[in-house]
Amino acid sequence: GQNIDQPTEMTATEGAIVQINCTYQTSGFNGLFWYQQHAGEAPTFLSYNVLDGLEEKGRFSSFLSRSKGYSYLLLKELQMKDSASYLCAVIPLPGAGSYQLTFGKGTKLSVIP
Amino acid sequence: NAGVTQTPKFQVLKTGQSMTLQCAQDMNHEYMSWYRQDPGMGLRLIHYSVGAGITDQGEVPNGYNVSRSTTEDFPLRLLSAAPSQTSVYFCASAPDRGRTEAFFGQGTRLTVV
Repeated sequence: GQNIDQPTEMTATEGAIVQINCTYQTSGFNGLFWYQQHAGEAPTFLSYNVLDGLEEKGRFSSFLSRSKGYSYLLLKELQMKDSASYLCAVIPLPGAGSYQLTFGKGTKLSVIP
Repeated sequence: NAGVTQTPKFQVLKTGQSMTLQCAQDMNHEYMSWYRQDPGMGLRLIHYSVGAGITDQGEVPNGYNVSRSTTEDFPLRLLSAAPSQTSVYFCASAPDRGRTEAFFGQGTRLTVV
């Protein structure tokens, strides 16, 4: 099975950089996703890591280390609109049963002026 | 494209009532799933489908039924609503077995009294 841990809440200042960590204990997975969810809205896709290393997309970057069971989402030049919950999720290996996402409980990020 | 459409957006039920949450997607995605989201619990998988006529249980299937008669539609049925089913429900679809992003509907906020 999969057990995914994220900090419950974080606060950061507008314009700063914040790193949201995700650690997992799983027997194996195909890839790791990050989703953003604003209050009262649906989750939206941010990034997907299959290989170890850093994937950069504008102000957002995501890192994966399979050997350490660890991922992080890095948000640069924080804006007020980045206040949201950030969800880490894994997808299992082919043939490992459910082909659906398993989510962590999410990290609520508050950006303050 | 409408993407993933869920109806209704809000619903109040009395204990013991039945209802169906509707989910439709117009992206010809094979994979569809239902999640519930509760405070402090994150998104939990209820049921999923890997194609028309094929469904399977997720992490929290009790009290819910699904069917998938067409590629487009994946309704979720509550046969006898209980207060424990008060939650926000999200339907999601994906084009393959999860190696690309999932698209979420806007959610149904259900209250059972």
